[in-house]
Amino acid sequence: DSGVTQTPKHLITATGQRVTLRCSPRSGDLSVYWYQQSLDQGLQFLIHYYNGEERAKGNILERFSAQQFPDLHSELNLSSLELGDSALYFCAGGLIGSYNEQFFGPGTRLTVL
Amino acid sequence: ELKVEQNPLFLSMQEGKNYTIYCNYSTTSDRLYWYRQDPGKSLESLFVLLSNGAVKQEGRLMASLDTKARLSTLHITAAVHDLSATYFCAALYAGNNRKLIWGLGTSLAVNP
Repeated sequence: DSGVTQTPKHLITATGQRVTLRCSPRSGDLSVYWYQQSLDQGLQFLIHYYNGEERAKGNILERFSAQQFPDLHSELNLSSLELGDSALYFCAGGLIGSYNEQFFGPGTRLTVL
Repeated sequence: ELKVEQNPLFLSMQEGKNYTIYCNYSTTSDRLYWYRQDPGKSLESLFVLLSNGAVKQEGRLMASLDTKARLSTLHITAAVHDLSATYFCAALYAGNNRKLIWGLGTSLAVNP
């Protein structure tokens, strides 16, 4: 158990809908990273927040957005969902400078029908 | 742009055998990471390699880093079924946005 929590574990929704995924990093970790993992695209980095500020963007669609709150938890918002958005979404926490090691949460499995 | 390539992508091996997974990266990176993922589960950090010549071992797994060759290896000794998983390497991008660049993963199946 990495100490990173994600909710919900599973989410089933319909195309066109909007969902919010939540992540709480380990105590003391200021960074939150979001990843999407699908069978055809592998592990894709989406976005990195550090202490409430966006630090890096990866392959994140415009329909997706994220934020990190003062208590350091983070939310990933996915809107206008498409079938192709079905994937495992992971968040990872870490400390910049602490070897940049990332500790992954259990993931949220999103199914878009 | 930093790119990370792993090979092989799929590996089926017998228990008791040795094998090596290779991770090549395209430009300068000063840190290399290995993670393990069981099917449907999260990623677990295995090794962080910080410098040229770094070698780390945990049980039947040994990871090494050659920054001059831009190559990291994950060596499996006397494989057992419990090692069946997908192994990812990731290199730290040395630019302003210090993000990890990931390989596609090596799916390892250890058969009796």
